[in-house]
Amino acid sequence: GESVGLHLPTLSVQEGDNSIINCAYSNSASDYFIWYKQESGKGPQFIIDIRSNMDKRQGQRVTVLLNKTVKHLSLQIAATQPGDSAVYFCAETYGQNFVFGPGTRLSVLP
Amino acid sequence: ETGVTQTPRHLVMGMTNKKSLKCEQHLGHNAMYWYKQSAKKPLELMFVYSLEERVENNSVPSRFSPECPNSSHLFLHLHTLQPEDSALYLCASSQYVGTYEQYFGPGTRLTVT
Repeated sequence: GESVGLHLPTLSVQEGDNSIINCAYSNSASDYFIWYKQESGKGPQFIIDIRSNMDKRQGQRVTVLLNKTVKHLSLQIAATQPGDSAVYFCAETYGQNFVFGPGTRLSVLP
Repeated sequence: ETGVTQTPRHLVMGMTNKKSLKCEQHLGHNAMYWYKQSAKKPLELMFVYSLEERVENNSVPSRFSPECPNSSHLFLHLHTLQPEDSALYLCASSQYVGTYEQYFGPGTRLTVT
């Protein structure tokens, strides 16, 4: 259940450190953004979302930052754990249209 | 069972075969979706259903035919597929169309030979 075959950028992080995963989106009219986590053999799992009228939103151990000026989205994971190892991808939405990014593979080192 | 389930988990079919993928959601949601996740592209939305009515068809070839008999079940009927249709097909549901928190099933890994 992962984006196998794609040459995904990989982020390797030491366990306990913070992770920052970045995403560039394409449509300045997009009004809603979502981060998903996809573990091997599983479907994507919703992590956190943010509306275009916000620039920051916090969840449990995760923070999403939105910079509309440069059309950039980031996901920060605090105190990264082995269970955080997965592919992470963002999605932008406008109306009923969803456009997904290719994803970043997060590898947590012991 | 809970969440979103999909069957079969793996499917190998020839280009002349007809097969169907099944999705079932146990969340009481009103919207269901089919996505394609291939080796060379990011996740692509194929179809959107709201209360059994199709509300979105993202220029998907007619060899893919969705069916939503009720709000809990979604099918994807496949016929005369091409090798490039080999991919992971994911089903998802959400409370309503426009509710962006979607719950995904584990997917069906399809190989077209």
